[in-house]
Amino acid sequence: DARVTQTPRHKVTEMGQEVTMRCQPILGHNTVFWYRQTMMQGLELLAYFRNRAPLDDSGMPKDRFSAEMPDATLATLKIQPSEPRDSAVYFCASGFSGVRNEQFFGPGTRLTVL
Amino acid sequence: GDSVTQMEGPVTLSEEAFLTINCTYTATGYPSLFWYVQYPGEGLQLLLKATKADDKGSNKGFEATYRKETTSFHLEKGSVQVSDSAVYFCAPMDSSYKLIFGSGTRLLVRP
Repeated sequence: DARVTQTPRHKVTEMGQEVTMRCQPILGHNTVFWYRQTMMQGLELLAYFRNRAPLDDSGMPKDRFSAEMPDATLATLKIQPSEPRDSAVYFCASGFSGVRNEQFFGPGTRLTVL
Repeated sequence: GDSVTQMEGPVTLSEEAFLTINCTYTATGYPSLFWYVQYPGEGLQLLLKATKADDKGSNKGFEATYRKETTSFHLEKGSVQVSDSAVYFCAPMDSSYKLIFGSGTRLLVRP
């Protein structure tokens, strides 16, 4: 049963620290998405990769957030320095760009910045 | 740009009641349409989808029909269960394969 995996599942850190979240997309998928979910803003798209190339990161605060895909099996989202307002659940999703275009979501990383 | 509007929640129903969650969208062309469900503490799961006009997506007793003329994709279920309590998201997919999520509708089913 292929699934998107995310690590860590929970992260508590102090303001100013670096946070790295990791995602393993489903093997063979060519698109990867990072979302942030908060009570106030709902689901926000932060970044989007297709065939490992970044296509859209307009939803991401550029000064502190960065997203990369070092290879086809790993996507990372980094926050440096972290701030309390970054506290949220971060979801990774993967899929195909094409006819079978569902996105499959991971379980999320719950981030708390104190 | 593309957008989606869902009915405000929470929707509170008794077990075995009929469910409708309204969803309308604005988009260029004819996007694929999706309903996702999020159970407490979990990620989003695909519930059903439709890729062209008049298509009906169905899964686990839920149904939604792609209505091009009204740009709607309302979610229905004939008899809800307590286990259906969750947040439901309607989402058209834009031309670059991005999902446009609505605010979600929380459903609470009471025994």
